[in-house]
Amino acid sequence: EVQLLESGGGLVQPGGSLRLSCAASGFSFSNYAMSWVRQAPGKGLEDVSAIRDSGDDSYYADSIKGRFTISRDNSRNTLYLQMNSLRAEDTAVYYCAKSRGATVNTNYFDSWGQGTLVTVSS
Amino acid sequence: DIQMTQSPSSLSASVGDRVTITCRASQTISSYLNWYQHKPGKAPKVLIYAASSLQGGVPSRFSGSGSGTDFTLTISSLQPEDFATYYCQQTYSTPYTFGQGTTLEIK
Repeated sequence: EVQLLESGGGLVQPGGSLRLSCAASGFSFSNYAMSWVRQAPGKGLEDVSAIRDSGDDSYYADSIKGRFTISRDNSRNTLYLQMNSLRAEDTAVYYCAKSRGATVNTNYFDSWGQGTLVTVSS
Repeated sequence: DIQMTQSPSSLSASVGDRVTITCRASQTISSYLNWYQHKPGKAPKVLIYAASSLQGGVPSRFSGSGSGTDFTLTISSLQPEDFATYYCQQTYSTPYTFGQGTTLEIK
């Protein structure tokens, strides 16, 4: 059974940093692209970033470009999102999601975690 | 970015009803359209991918159709566990944008 477990969320001040982690199990992590999707309070889903199986290709939504960095450690079956220069509008539940394929040109997300809440507030 | 517009934003229905949710893309996306179900506090779940393919394990009362810019999700006979929020998503080009969601409520 595929399991994705996010961690690292919490309360941070504007301008601060956080690193989210997503521990994966139940599938061959190194063979699949992975993504981060977020949901702000009362809002819909927003595709934030994705990274291919090998880690050498990625993309970012314009809203987080230059501030967030996606990475992965295939030896630890773990996906990361380093979030810097955080803003109030980054407040959201952050989900990691497994892609159906290996590249960032995914077909769809076939498994999701339950999310971790990031709150940016002074 | 491709904009995805769902309608309605919310819908009240009864167990056993047939319901249809529509999704329109701001440009053609071929059949790169997926539907997800999301319940509060739970992980989202894919129902339909590539516009009309049913994900394994999803009940056959769920179906999808459409191509180009206009798509529909149909639930043929609502069950109590179907009350949730539904999102369409295009995977034609990055970022893979979602519709704003349709909340299905019990009448």
